[in-house]
Amino acid sequence: AQSVTQLDSQVPVFEEAPVELRCNYSSSVSVYLFWYVQYPNQGLQLLLKYLSGSTLVKGINGFEAEFNKSQTSFHLRKPSVHISDTAEYFCAVSEFNTDKLIFGTGTRLQVFP
Amino acid sequence: DAGITQSPRHKVTETGTPVTLRCHQTENHRYMYWYRQDPGHGLRLIHYSYGVKDTDKGEVSDGYSVSRSKTEDFLLTLESATSSQTSVYFCAISEGASGRRTDETQYFGPGTRLLVL
Repeated sequence: AQSVTQLDSQVPVFEEAPVELRCNYSSSVSVYLFWYVQYPNQGLQLLLKYLSGSTLVKGINGFEAEFNKSQTSFHLRKPSVHISDTAEYFCAVSEFNTDKLIFGTGTRLQVFP
Repeated sequence: DAGITQSPRHKVTETGTPVTLRCHQTENHRYMYWYRQDPGHGLRLIHYSYGVKDTDKGEVSDGYSVSRSKTEDFLLTLESATSSQTSVYFCAISEGASGRRTDETQYFGPGTRLLVL
């Protein structure tokens, strides 16, 4: 069965430091991959998505993610975080031949001054 | 921002009472979704709609029903609310242009916080 694992429930980091949020998925078929961000008391909004082509995907607010098929991972990175990046980040996966989008349990990024 | 509103934004109700949440969109998007968000579970799909009067179940549909009589409105009903349905409920929409919803970006509403006592 398709599943998404976000290994870190919380990631504390200081401002201007780099950050990586990890996402692994299990699937036996080709997938589409997404990262969404949820700021406090708001709905989710898309950061970036991988559908096909280049495995390095750039998104909004300086975030990027790399699709690694052999490791079934789609980790999110930012070279220098800001206080305003404090939010919850969700990885999501869908399979080509299904009608389902499966979300991970989320990673709470806390940026400290 | 995508034009999605949810009402009410907050609701407190008692066990056993019916509750209806409304999602309204101004984007004329084909697909609409209801999710619930709970700590440790992320977002889980309750029901979705792929057109007027066309709906299907998600992974946590028990105890919920939906209706879509107009493109712009998608209603979620808890027939008899239980404490396990205390959650934050999000509506989302996607364009449906490709005819296959799973590669499209979903746009989320602001959420409804429901407390069932």
